[in-house]
Amino acid sequence: DAGVIQSPRHEVTEMGQEVTLRCKPISGHDYLFWYRQTMMRGLELLIYFNNNVPIDDSGMPEDRFSAKMPNASFSTLKIQPSEPRDSAVYFCASSLDRVILHFGNGTRLTVT
Amino acid sequence: AQTVTQSQPEMSVQEAETVTLSCTYDTSESDYYLFWYKQPPSRQMILVIRQEAYKQQNATENRFSVNFQKAAKSFSLKISDSQLGDAAMYFCAYSGSNTGNQFYFGTGTSLTVIP
Repeated sequence: DAGVIQSPRHEVTEMGQEVTLRCKPISGHDYLFWYRQTMMRGLELLIYFNNNVPIDDSGMPEDRFSAKMPNASFSTLKIQPSEPRDSAVYFCASSLDRVILHFGNGTRLTVT
Repeated sequence: AQTVTQSQPEMSVQEAETVTLSCTYDTSESDYYLFWYKQPPSRQMILVIRQEAYKQQNATENRFSVNFQKAAKSFSLKISDSQLGDAAMYFCAYSGSNTGNQFYFGTGTSLTVIP
């Protein structure tokens, strides 16, 4: 089991550019979560999916953020256009039972 | 909304000694889970230990144990025989069935282990 795989590990981009973060959950896990971690706000749930369907996206900060899960083994979080305040570490996590979250290594996003 | 409070932003412990990290939470639910996650400098969030609210017995995982006080809504983590590899951020988290099992995280405690 390779665990949850996120890419890229680091992303540096300029304000206004589109950013796409990628996640491969653990095989067999029906739940996928996207979190954002900042010093000011800690860990925030952005959105989660169940069986590839978005269930709760109330944490998505603005229309600039969108997330998709086209199949059970892949999800993307897109920011368009990006802004400096989007700089954070973005985590993807998957779960078999919604009891235990298995996190990826995160993507550190820096928007200049 | 549920809240999770970690009142100790930073803690330090001498290697081989014992340290306790505090966590309190606020909920009206009776059925929920509590967790401690560790985030080392590598950034990955690693589950350390979990506790089901319906269980009176405190969870234990090797050198890690919890003191779960349901009435007081307290969930502290005790690390015995601290090792250098224990140095990390520790996050307390809550997940309740009535809130759709959404996870609520505390703000974290940074643990330093002194050799």
